[in-house]
Amino acid sequence: SAVISQKPSRDICQRGTSLTIQCQVDSQVTMMFWYRQQPGQSLTLIATANQGSEATYESGFVIDKFPISRPNLTFSTLTVSNMSPEDSSIYLCSVGGSNTEAFFGQGTRLTVV
Amino acid sequence: GENVEQHPSTLSVQEGDSAVIKCTYSDSASNYFPWYKQELGKRPQLIIDIRSNVGEKKDQRIAVTLNKTAKHFSLHITETQPEDSAVYFCAAPPFSGGYNKLIFGAGTRLAVHP
Repeated sequence: SAVISQKPSRDICQRGTSLTIQCQVDSQVTMMFWYRQQPGQSLTLIATANQGSEATYESGFVIDKFPISRPNLTFSTLTVSNMSPEDSSIYLCSVGGSNTEAFFGQGTRLTVV
Repeated sequence: GENVEQHPSTLSVQEGDSAVIKCTYSDSASNYFPWYKQELGKRPQLIIDIRSNVGEKKDQRIAVTLNKTAKHFSLHITETQPEDSAVYFCAAPPFSGGYNKLIFGAGTRLAVHP
């Protein structure tokens, strides 16, 4: 199993600003994942954070909007840049899942006003 | 890429009844099929999973069945209880990229009424 700490747990931000979300895992993992969960919706994969290389983004998500850092095997950050109200969502980091149990952080509830 | 479709979007049952949620996937190479439960305001948690080499798996009141030929898998909850009320997500890993990510279905909101 893996224990994931994510912060902040929630934030209210002004449009046009940026927010950086941090994710810390209690063990070393090769890949970390960032998901967005819009209100009442499913989990949509934003990108895979790879240690030592650039993140791999899914269709519809770009690095300029969602820059990701992965400085080591236990930590990653996701920045939501130049925010608009449409970015209001829950953002979750995760490890595992493709052939074993996925573990999720508690999520960051972002409200953009 | 992988497409995972989930039905129904909402399901309402009486306590003690059974609930069935169905998912279909598009990537025939997918080989791992988990189900996650998300209670209100909480993170998703795995409740059961199945691999492509078996057709059914049970864990107390929960079971998952897999039909590889038809590319669909189902979650079965028997003797439902109010605490089963939550949103349930199926998922599957696409073969492209070497199974290194998970694609989720749209979710089913299950309500169990006492």
